[in-house]
Amino acid sequence: QSVLTQPPSVSGAPGQRVTVSCTGNSSNIGANYDVHWYQQLPGTAPKLLIHSNNNRPSGVPDRFSGSKSGTSASLAITGLQAEDEADYYCQSYDNSLRARVFGTGTKVTVL
Amino acid sequence: QVQLQESGPGLVKPSGTLSLTCAVSGGSVSSDNWWTWVRQPPGKGLEWIGEIYPSGSANYNPSLKSRVTMSLDKSKNQFSLKLTSVTAADTALYYCARVDCRGSSCYPDYWGQGTLVTVSS
Repeated sequence: QSVLTQPPSVSGAPGQRVTVSCTGNSSNIGANYDVHWYQQLPGTAPKLLIHSNNNRPSGVPDRFSGSKSGTSASLAITGLQAEDEADYYCQSYDNSLRARVFGTGTKVTVL
Repeated sequence: QVQLQESGPGLVKPSGTLSLTCAVSGGSVSSDNWWTWVRQPPGKGLEWIGEIYPSGSANYNPSLKSRVTMSLDKSKNQFSLKLTSVTAADTALYYCARVDCRGSSCYPDYWGQGTLVTVSS
């Protein structure tokens, strides 16, 4: 049972903007630990999408952005494309569990 | 470009020991990075198993700590995972990855392709 909760699914039409939420608590996101985001295309390994709340690694399109506030974080995808259809996971650190923790995962579907 | 490749038996008997190795190329396990294992049961989400530093210092998921050991072989540029007393619940895709840290912010940046381990008699 993950301590970071994400919606099971999010969908949008091509070109639209979608957001994926990641809700934690005072032991992880609320304790000011950074949030990172991963994209997992079907049948592939996770790929780092956003690190340290809002930083894109080289090669990641600027359609992807991250934000954090209080005990939650969000991933936004603007100008949704068919190739964005994937599972998305947030990740942070929990000082109560003393462990790195992943979110429950969100499947993004392009209609 | 750092590349990682997991290897090990794809089938382990219940109560046995799961042993995996992650070979690193394009980088060194002696560098200032943590090296981590993450697993994903079929159709489910990601679970952090633990991480190891070149000094040998390791951190483990408390839920697995009693059964997990990680080690690092600098001469072969690889690191390893051992998980004892396995059950069907340990059936998963196992990924190895490099962890990059910017200050206190640490995150896996390079991942292996993953290897499926099935626990079954």
